[in-house]
Amino acid sequence: GESVGLHLPTLSVQEGDNSIINCAYSNSASDYFIWYKQESGKGPQFIIDIRSNMDKRQGQRVTVLLNKTVKHLSLQIAATQPGDSAVYFCAEKNNQGGKLIFGQGTELSVKP
Amino acid sequence: NAGVTQTPKFRILKIGQSMTLQCAQDMNHNYMYWYRQDPGMGLKLIYYSVGAGITDKGEVPNGYNVSRSTTEDFPLRLELAAPSQTSVYFCASRVAGANEQFFGPGTRLTVL
Repeated sequence: GESVGLHLPTLSVQEGDNSIINCAYSNSASDYFIWYKQESGKGPQFIIDIRSNMDKRQGQRVTVLLNKTVKHLSLQIAATQPGDSAVYFCAEKNNQGGKLIFGQGTELSVKP
Repeated sequence: NAGVTQTPKFRILKIGQSMTLQCAQDMNHNYMYWYRQDPGMGLKLIYYSVGAGITDKGEVPNGYNVSRSTTEDFPLRLELAAPSQTSVYFCASRVAGANEQFFGPGTRLTVL
């Protein structure tokens, strides 16, 4: 069946360093992927998305890379800041009703 | 716009009690979703709706019911609360043709 998972449950980085959060997916037919950020006690917040016909997409301090050959998705955060501390989820879009399938999440901790 | 709003923020139920979690959005979004998030886990889809009068089951619908009488509101009903339903519940919505889902702040439910 479909599944979206993350390689590491926790990631600790120094303030100012770059962060890389990884995600594996199993459904090669998925055509859309999303990264969400969830701060403690809040709902998920959209960060960036990418369609399956793209390899890379950049936003403000964030970049998403998609490797369809190995079914791998990554989120890169440049110059990580304390405000980036949160749980990050990747999600895969199901064409039926636009349903999202979420991975477990990676908790990013930024050390000052 | 207030976006997606959820009430209550917190609730404690006894086993066997019933309650309705409220969700409303003022963005005129056709699609609405209910997720639950267990500790340290990603979000799992309970029910979703593609428009007023139309609802469908998600991944974990057992023990829940929904209705969608208006575009704005999408309440989630628990008829006989069980400890396994202790979780944080998130409502989300999106506009037709777009992929990003907007999430509410969540309702933390404890069943004792």
